[in-house]
Amino acid sequence: GNSVTQMEGPVTLSEEAFLTINCTYTATGYPSLFWYVQYPGEGLQLLLKATKADDKGSNKGFEATYRKETTSFHLEKGSVQVSDSAVYFCALRPRGFQKLVFGTGTRLLVSP
Amino acid sequence: EAGVTQFPSHSVIEKGQTVTLRCDPISGHDNLYWYRRVMGKEIKFLLHFVKESKQDESGMPNNRFLAERTGGTYSTLKVQPAELEDSGVYFCASSQLEGYGETQYFGPGTRLLVL
Repeated sequence: GNSVTQMEGPVTLSEEAFLTINCTYTATGYPSLFWYVQYPGEGLQLLLKATKADDKGSNKGFEATYRKETTSFHLEKGSVQVSDSAVYFCALRPRGFQKLVFGTGTRLLVSP
Repeated sequence: EAGVTQFPSHSVIEKGQTVTLRCDPISGHDNLYWYRRVMGKEIKFLLHFVKESKQDESGMPNNRFLAERTGGTYSTLKVQPAELEDSGVYFCASSQLEGYGETQYFGPGTRLLVL
């Protein structure tokens, strides 16, 4: 079946620290991969995506690379800000389907 | 351009009552999705409309849930009768394209609490 596993949160960092949120997946075929972010009081926003192996998605200083050999799509940012505090969801869209399969979400807390 | 809107933002009801959630997609978006997140767990797919037709309802948990999208515009999700385990956040999303180019735009969600 299709599933996404994310690291447990919360992840607590100081401003300007390096961020990694791990995401691994199980899927038949080659899915598209996504990171969504939910800021407090808001809906889910697409942060970045990758549609094939070795693609790198990037946005707002965040990056993630589609690694087929390790079935991973880890989210990274070199220097986090307080405004990055949010819940981050890793997701996949199985090939041939339109529905998204999400992980459990990882809460990030950044302190000044 | 307005984003996906959902109403109400919060709903508190008693077990056995009926609740109707509404989603207004982005204008012109043919695809409309319902998802829910229960008890801080993963967000799970419920169903997918293309215009007014149900394309995929494989995620609907049982027949207490009824979704409609009359005229291919807004959608409603009715839970009747509500049970305790239905508590959670219900998200709606819409999109215009299919395939690799598709991006699903999400609403803020409706937080449902069944007591």
